[in-house]
Amino acid sequence: EAQVTQNPRYLITVTGKKLTVTCSQNMNHEYMSWYRQDPGLGLRQIYYSMNVEVTDKGDVPEGYKVSRKEKRNFPLILESPSPNQTSLYFCASSLGQRGEAFFGQGTRLTVV
Amino acid sequence: GQSLEQPSEVTAVEGAIVQINCTYQTSGFYGLSWYQQHDGGAPTFLSYNGLDGLEETGRFSSFLSRSDSYGYLLLQELQMKDSASYFCAVRGKTSSNYQLIWGAGTKLIIKP
Repeated sequence: EAQVTQNPRYLITVTGKKLTVTCSQNMNHEYMSWYRQDPGLGLRQIYYSMNVEVTDKGDVPEGYKVSRKEKRNFPLILESPSPNQTSLYFCASSLGQRGEAFFGQGTRLTVV
Repeated sequence: GQSLEQPSEVTAVEGAIVQINCTYQTSGFYGLSWYQQHDGGAPTFLSYNGLDGLEETGRFSSFLSRSDSYGYLLLQELQMKDSASYFCAVRGKTSSNYQLIWGAGTKLIIKP
């Protein structure tokens, strides 16, 4: 089954404690993105990757890091989480930049 | 700047027809997409318009007018399971990134 898998689904952490949200897709898609979703703001792109070892900033990259060492995986790293990073996060992949986006199930992060 | 406007909430009756409008202002235009998101779930792709006109997929249709920077999603024979948020998203271009730019979403409330 074609899918994008994120882990964990829910996470509560404390300010400053480094965390990683994993994302993996099994569709051999080149293009992967991370979004955050906040009420009334829709989805905002954090980082994207056009292929292995090619990543770039989206609209709201501050406080986040990503890596793309393998085509299927695109982890999101929060080196020092802060309460304003409390949000719902989605990973997405698509076949090329113009294709339909397939989303993971989301990670609800709370930073206290 | 780049922006998409869509109503925040629409209410309709089961069995009726509802239209959700979307106007956009983006750098470059590479298509308008619609996504559905149920509470607690991930966005899922509904339709795509790259050229002017109407695209029909079962009970759902989507329309695009590039000259008016406008599109809409039409849902017919509404069912209770259609209660969800609906997002329009435009594929725009910023430097090297064919980025999906998202509206804030329209919450569709269906009454029996």
